[in-house]
Amino acid sequence: GAGVSQTPSNKVTEKGKYVELRCDPISGHTALYWYRQSLGQGPEFLIYFQGTGAADDSGLPNDRFFAVRPEGSVSTLKIQRTERGDSAVYLCASSAGTSWSTGQFFGPGTRLTVL
Amino acid sequence: AQKVTQAQTEISVVEKEDVTLDCVYETRDTTYYLFWYKQPPSGELVFLIRRNSFDEQNEISGRYSWNFQKSTSSFNFTITASQVVDSAVYFCALRRNTGTASKLTFGTGTRLQVTL
Repeated sequence: GAGVSQTPSNKVTEKGKYVELRCDPISGHTALYWYRQSLGQGPEFLIYFQGTGAADDSGLPNDRFFAVRPEGSVSTLKIQRTERGDSAVYLCASSAGTSWSTGQFFGPGTRLTVL
Repeated sequence: AQKVTQAQTEISVVEKEDVTLDCVYETRDTTYYLFWYKQPPSGELVFLIRRNSFDEQNEISGRYSWNFQKSTSSFNFTITASQVVDSAVYFCALRRNTGTASKLTFGTGTRLQVTL
């Protein structure tokens, strides 16, 4: 497929468990972004990668959240010791670069529910 | 700090009516970029338009038009002759123009309901 893909589409877990959310960007896109969208809100920035490195992780809420992009393509968002407040839709986006002339293209999201 | 305000939480119109979605932003940057995204019930965010702060020309794309006014820090979006398929949540977003910071700051969205 040509778009950003995210797996799983839905994830239900219990409080205290560890989860991994995966994002596969558009082929050739060097920049990858993670956002979190709570019900009735706009997406909130978490972290973005330029290549393999995290260029800005200022949006990660605390040290339970971590993301990697080891080969500069697929990225995994990892959440340790999940809390009910982590329940949200986690969105991934990619772009061809950080230039203004490129838009960010979003995936369908992963809906995380922490019971 | 950057902020985007979409004061209209929800708008309902009858098909074929025109509708304007408001967006007001705050930034200390002199150059920046503005975006509109559409989020249909399926949930996926669809990119509609970007505008850089240098260019205050209004833009029209089919039934969509955008009015950027730097003097009032507004970037409003008008849909002409609305259709049921326009029903969605619409987000306005702001992005800094620096070498490294490219995150989007979103508003809370406006839910548009178009009925027959």
